[in-house]
This record gives sequence, C-alpha cells and structure tokens, in this order.
Amino acid sequence: DIQMTQSPSSLSASVGDRVTITCQASQDITNYLNWYQQKPGKAPKLLIFDASILETGVPSRFSGSGSVTDFTFTISNLQPEDIATYYCQQCDEIPYTFGQGTKLEIK
Amino acid sequence: EVQLVESGGGLVQPGGSLRLSCAASGFTFSDAWMSWVRQTPGKGLEWVGRIKSKIDDGTTDYAAPVKGRFAISRDDSRNTVYLQMNTLKTEDTAVYYCAREARDCSRSTCYWITYDKWGQGTLVTVSS
Repeated sequence: DIQMTQSPSSLSASVGDRVTITCQASQDITNYLNWYQQKPGKAPKLLIFDASILETGVPSRFSGSGSVTDFTFTISNLQPEDIATYYCQQCDEIPYTFGQGTKLEIK
Repeated sequence: EVQLVESGGGLVQPGGSLRLSCAASGFTFSDAWMSWVRQTPGKGLEWVGRIKSKIDDGTTDYAAPVKGRFAISRDDSRNTVYLQMNTLKTEDTAVYYCAREARDCSRSTCYWITYDKWGQGTLVTVSS
C-alpha cells in the first residue's frame, strides 16, 4: 500500500496568516492527490484534486502544488471558518490511502 | 443538488452482520463508481472498498482488513449502493461514509474526480 506522511499533525496560526501543510507519498503517485477539509461531526469536503485544481466553489485562498511524491497545501489569509482538520489522499492506486490529518487551530 | 444519504448503522455484537445503504440523488448514479470509507479516532480515514459502474464492468475491490467479510453491491434502479458487513469485529467500529467517483465536465476540460461528494456518515458500533 502507498503510505501518505502528512505534517504537521497540528498547528496553530493567526487570522490572516499563511499556513502550509505537506504530504509525502511513499512512491510516485504522479499528481493523483486530493486535499480535504473536515469539520467536527461532518464528512470530509473535497477542496483540491489532481494536486492543484480547486474544486468548484472553494475559496481561492486555498491552493495546492506538487507532483510525484511531494505535495503542499496552502491557505493564504487564514480565516476563522478555516478551523478544521485537513487530510491528503492519494487516488493513484487502490487501496486509496489518507494522511493522518492536520488539526488547524486559530491562535 | 447531489446528495448521498447513508442508513443502516447501529450496534451489533461481534460476529454479527449489518447492511448499510447509501441512497443517491441529483446525478446519474449508474455512471458513478461508489466507495465506502470509514473513520475511527484511532486510525483516521480508511478506504473500505469500491464498486465500479456497470458500464465499466461493475467489479468490486476491497481493503485487506475487510476482504472476504464485506461485500459491496449496487442497484442502479434504486440509485443505491450497499455495504454488507459479515463476521464483524470490534475493530470495525467506525463511522462509515459512502463517496462518489465520477466524471465532471462542468469545466472546459472533463476530469475524473475521486470523492467529490460524501454522505453524512452512519455509525457502526461492534460491541458485546
């Protein structure tokens, strides 16, 4: 199985900050990488697919980049409503696997 | 509006069975590949299995921990996908989500998008 190593596991930032989360795959996944946002008690919500394409309706302060094994997710201008846990997921081959998540808190 | 609504969760004893349902609406269900993903506090998000559309051969794939115990099926006439869970173990306790893989041609380019829509989840508790 492809292992997804996501970091950090948690982070605290201030409103207006730029926040970066990284995800590393254990093997080449080309650009088959998704990023999700999950709020307590809710299902994950797709933010970015194919490493860098913003899902329809997602604010442009969210962005993604990377390819092969190394990927980055960025929130520019952090907003209070961005408090959530964020996950990466590879969808290159089954079993699709997820990172362990990054819990984002506002200072 | 695309909607996925799971049902069928509950409390079951170890060794027991349960069938989850996921009713879909708002899109051409027969064209979509449907998956089940579960979530536990300890293990995070875990892919359970998938069923392809009938036009793409309708085959199923399963994660190793559930292979031989769980079965996914679909009824395109009812726009519903099922997860039959047998020989349940305590470690199967989780919130179970259904999720969609489908082609999206709403942009200038068509994309195959994995898990753009999820259900609200249903809790399965395996305990004596």
